[in-house]
Amino acid sequence: ILNVEQSPQSLHVQEGDSTNFTCSFPSSNFYALHWYRWETAKSPEALFVMTLNGDEKKKGRISATLNTKEGYSYLYIKGSQPEDSATYLCALKDSNYQLIWGAGTKLIIKP
Amino acid sequence: SQTIHQWPATLVQPVGSPLSLECTVEGTSNPNLYWYRQAAGRGLQLLFYSVGIGQISSEVPQNLSASRPQDRQFILSSKKLLLSDSGFYLCAWSLAGVEQFFGPGTRLTVL
Repeated sequence: ILNVEQSPQSLHVQEGDSTNFTCSFPSSNFYALHWYRWETAKSPEALFVMTLNGDEKKKGRISATLNTKEGYSYLYIKGSQPEDSATYLCALKDSNYQLIWGAGTKLIIKP
Repeated sequence: SQTIHQWPATLVQPVGSPLSLECTVEGTSNPNLYWYRQAAGRGLQLLFYSVGIGQISSEVPQNLSASRPQDRQFILSSKKLLLSDSGFYLCAWSLAGVEQFFGPGTRLTVL
């Protein structure tokens, strides 16, 4: 059974500070890793899909890296803003093309 | 463009009552469809997925069931709700191997 772990579970960050959190997954039989952003009272929205070892994706102040050999991905947020407050989910695509979800990192930006 | 609808948005039901949540997708054909649940303080749990009309795969044994009577319609049902069925239910669609797109969700409270 594939297990996707995210840490920390929650994170309080001062507005303007940069932050990062981790998604860990089994390194064997890797297909793809997805990052989603889930704001309260909204639907999860896709941020990145990462497929290759060493991949680095960027969208505005948010970026992500992927290490498939050691089984982790980092999500970075530069200069946090209140609108970044959300739960960030990662999901691993398995051999059946289904997503195995982590429990998420809840990010709270303090003004 | 594709859109996904879920209803109702919120639902309060007594223990032992039946349940029917509906999800419809527009603007695409033969999508993969998914039902997820997020219980309080936990990540997304895949309940059911479907790759075609009448084809349902169950991920977690429970008192819920799903049906796909039409290509773009996915229904989540229960004959008798339990307290533990409370949670946030999300429907999602994808084309095989690509990211998932989520509906607005249904907040179910079982009393």
